[in-house]
Amino acid sequence: GAVVSQHPSRVICKSGTSVKIECRSLDFQATTMFWYRQFPKQSLMLMATSNEGSKATYEQGVEKDKFLINHASLTLSTLTVTSAHPEDSSFYICSARDTSGTDTQYFGPGTRLTVL
Amino acid sequence: DQQVKQNSPSLSVQEGRISILNCDYTNSMFDYFLWYKKYPAEGPTFLISISSIKDKNEDGRFTVFLNKSAKHLSLHIVPSQPGDSAVYFCAASGQGAQKLVFGQGTRLTINP
Repeated sequence: GAVVSQHPSRVICKSGTSVKIECRSLDFQATTMFWYRQFPKQSLMLMATSNEGSKATYEQGVEKDKFLINHASLTLSTLTVTSAHPEDSSFYICSARDTSGTDTQYFGPGTRLTVL
Repeated sequence: DQQVKQNSPSLSVQEGRISILNCDYTNSMFDYFLWYKKYPAEGPTFLISISSIKDKNEDGRFTVFLNKSAKHLSLHIVPSQPGDSAVYFCAASGQGAQKLVFGQGTRLTINP
């Protein structure tokens, strides 16, 4: 099956710093990637849709200036959490849409962000 | 407004028996449905999907059934194995829409 990687898998940072998370589709090209956030014991919450070569589309309530998304190539999207605060601590997961076959989204392994 | 609902937060099944996970949706524009399996602190793993033009799709031990009139889909796992213990999410997407709408998840526990 299609493989999506995320880096880093775990990051701890101080309040006020910025953190960049990378999402890569390893064996297919993805014009569209998605960024999710999962709170403990809850479902996945879509934050934004990342489109290669254009601006991301953010879901209602998600601050685009805080969660910067860049999708510079067909295999890489990045999410930067700017000026992180403890309430940004969460599990962030990306997915990539494989349009070459069944149009299925494949997910990365997730990144655990802890802001002290 | 929860467009995709998994009303059972948890399910326990004995090893070797059939596990049936259910999912209901309200948006009649959804035409593609997926099931994902998720372990703690990991990303979801794609299991199986079904298009609205079908009512059944089978892949090994996994079968998904779609009842469009009832806006209901189910995932059958048979025989259930201990490694199937995880949280299962159903998801749906609409015509032309790229993003998925997820249910709340059902925690499946397979007992030996």
